[in-house]
Amino acid sequence: GAGVSQSPRYKVTKRGQDVALRCDPISGHVSLYWYRQALGQGPEFLTYFNYEAQQDKSGLPNDRFSAERPEGSISTLTIQRTEQRDSAMYRCASSTRTSENGEQFFGPGTRLTVL
Amino acid sequence: AQSVSQHNHHVILSEAASLELGCNYSYGGTVNLFWYVQYPGQHLQLLLKYFSGDPLVKGIKGFEAEFIKSKFSFNLRKPSVQWSDTAEYFCAVNVAWSSASKIIFGSGTRLSIRP
Repeated sequence: GAGVSQSPRYKVTKRGQDVALRCDPISGHVSLYWYRQALGQGPEFLTYFNYEAQQDKSGLPNDRFSAERPEGSISTLTIQRTEQRDSAMYRCASSTRTSENGEQFFGPGTRLTVL
Repeated sequence: AQSVSQHNHHVILSEAASLELGCNYSYGGTVNLFWYVQYPGQHLQLLLKYFSGDPLVKGIKGFEAEFIKSKFSFNLRKPSVQWSDTAEYFCAVNVAWSSASKIIFGSGTRLSIRP
C-alpha cells in the first residue's frame, strides 16, 4: 500500500518481556518518527531519524527503549524488560523532507498491552 | 520548550451547530501549526496546517483555523457540523526552520455529534 504501515497492530505481552515494534514508512520518505500515545492524551514524541541516522532521541523515556533504522527505510522500536506503564499506542510517522516543514503521515499504530 | 493546550476535553454538539475548538501554544519563535483528526478506528490524519502566509487556513471537510500570533492561538472552526465529524481532534505545533522537527501535540478534544 501507499501509506505508513506498522506491525503488529496489537501486541499483548507479559511484564519483563522484550518487544519489537516495526514501522515501514512511505517509500522514499527520508524522515521517520516514533510517538507514544497514552489513553486520553495526545501523541508524545519519542525519537526520529533522517535516513539511517537517529537525529533526536530526547523523548525516549529511559534506556529500556531504543530504535534503529539501519538501511534508512524500515525502523524498529524495541522495548526491553517491559513494564505495565509501557502500555500505550505506539505511532510511527514519515515525511518527505529532512527539515522541518514536511507534513508527517501517520501509520495505524501498534497497541501495546503489558500484563 | 514548546507546549500545546486544548481547552476542551469533550465537546457534544447537535448536527448543524457551529464548532470552535480552542488551541493555544507556548513558544516564542516561529512555529508551524497543525490540526490532526482521528476518526473512530482510523489513523491520525492531517486536517489542516499553517506554515506561513494567510493566517486563515482552510482544510478538508469544511474546517478552517485562524492563527492569531498575538494570542498564540490556532482555533479550529466549522460553521455547521455533521454527524460524520465525530472524532478526536489534536492541535499540534513544531518549530519552524529547525532541524528538530518533532511535533508537539495537545491532549486532544473528543467531539461527539448528536444526529
